[in-house]
Amino acid sequence: AQSVTQLDSQVPVFEEAPVELRCNYSSSVSVYLFWYVQYPNQGLQLLLKYLSGSTLVKGINGFEAEFNKSQTSFHLRKPSVHISDTAEYFCAVSVGSGGSNYKLTFGKGTLLTVNP
Amino acid sequence: NAGVMQNPRHLVRRRGQEARLRCSPMKGHSHVYWYRQLPEEGLKFMVYLQKENIIDESGMPKERFSAEFPKEGPSILRIQQVVRGDSAAYFCASSPSSAGGQPQHFGDGTRLSIL
Repeated sequence: AQSVTQLDSQVPVFEEAPVELRCNYSSSVSVYLFWYVQYPNQGLQLLLKYLSGSTLVKGINGFEAEFNKSQTSFHLRKPSVHISDTAEYFCAVSVGSGGSNYKLTFGKGTLLTVNP
Repeated sequence: NAGVMQNPRHLVRRRGQEARLRCSPMKGHSHVYWYRQLPEEGLKFMVYLQKENIIDESGMPKERFSAEFPKEGPSILRIQQVVRGDSAAYFCASSPSSAGGQPQHFGDGTRLSIL
């Protein structure tokens, strides 16, 4: 079974500062990795995904993430955040092969708060 | 192009009542997934359905919970005899296939409160 650990439950930053949200996963098989963002009282919106190939993945809203297989990590980064980036961010994993590759396993989320 | 539509957005029930949550997938999507989000927790997989078939209900509590996705109409998540512990946000997601890595598109959720 897979598991996802988001190391920081809350990350406060100032506007225009860089940010990194950390995500580590555990799996005995290859995985697909996702980052979703959830704004208050809304559903989850896909930011980016890693399936294979280049380990640096670029997503929407200026976010990017890097897959590191040896460290089993998939950290999310943005060089300069805006107030509008304030939201909850979820890292998720699904198995890369086999019958249950549709099942997403989520971390507990990281609340990013961008202050002026 | 409408996204995943869930209704109601908020639902209040008293203990012992039934709750029915509806989900209409995105146009062209025939795969539906339900997740539950408890306070300060990530989303937990409950069930995966295709039209008229339950494919995987391994995350669904064995009692009081059921799900369906009929040939016509939305997918329904039904909770009978609700208890306080059922208070949560329930999210539906859909995808055009179940192929590995296929992103799931989420609705805005139904926030269920049990009095």
